[in-house]
Amino acid sequence: DVKVTQSSRYLVKRTGEKVFLECVQDMDHENMFWYRQDPGLGLRLIYFSYDVKMKEKGDIPEGYSVSREKKERFSLILESASTNQTSMYLCASRALAGVHEQYFGPGTRLTVT
Amino acid sequence: GNSVTQMEGPVTLSEEAFLTINCTYTATGYPSLFWYVQYPGEGLQLLLKATKADDKGSNKGFEATYRKETTSFHLEKGSVQVSDSAVYFCALEGVQGAQKLVFGQGTRLTINP
Repeated sequence: DVKVTQSSRYLVKRTGEKVFLECVQDMDHENMFWYRQDPGLGLRLIYFSYDVKMKEKGDIPEGYSVSREKKERFSLILESASTNQTSMYLCASRALAGVHEQYFGPGTRLTVT
Repeated sequence: GNSVTQMEGPVTLSEEAFLTINCTYTATGYPSLFWYVQYPGEGLQLLLKATKADDKGSNKGFEATYRKETTSFHLEKGSVQVSDSAVYFCALEGVQGAQKLVFGQGTRLTINP
């Protein structure tokens, strides 16, 4: 059974803290993605990665960075958390070739106070 | 750029009612189209997909047909159940590069017994 796991389901951080969100997939997928989900806005792409050490900006990269040191792991970093980054964060992975679905993790609900 | 527009929710129906959730898109060429579902407390999972014009995707009693002439991919189900209560997202994957998904804003569906 395919699986994407995220390090935390719920996280509460203070403004200005550095925050790490971890995502691991066990499907040997090349592509990995980070989205944020907000009511009425759907999912918006923050960053994605085609391969180890490769990353590309999505639609809303400001205030975020990412790291992919191993194929199965994709980390999202909030360098200095702000209240407007309170959201649900979803990680996904996808095989490179063909028309394939993205597989999603359960999400991390981050609250920045 | 590519975009997806879904009918606004929330939608509330009685069990065994007929369901339609409208989805239209803007894209160049022939994108692939998807419906994802998010059950309470979970990540997104693929419900169905279609990769070319006139294709019909189907799963769990849900259907959607890729209509190029109207740039639409409306989701339908003939008789909904309480267990169908969830948030539904229409999405497209463009033909050029990236393999990124563009999502609609989501439609929250509640089925009452």
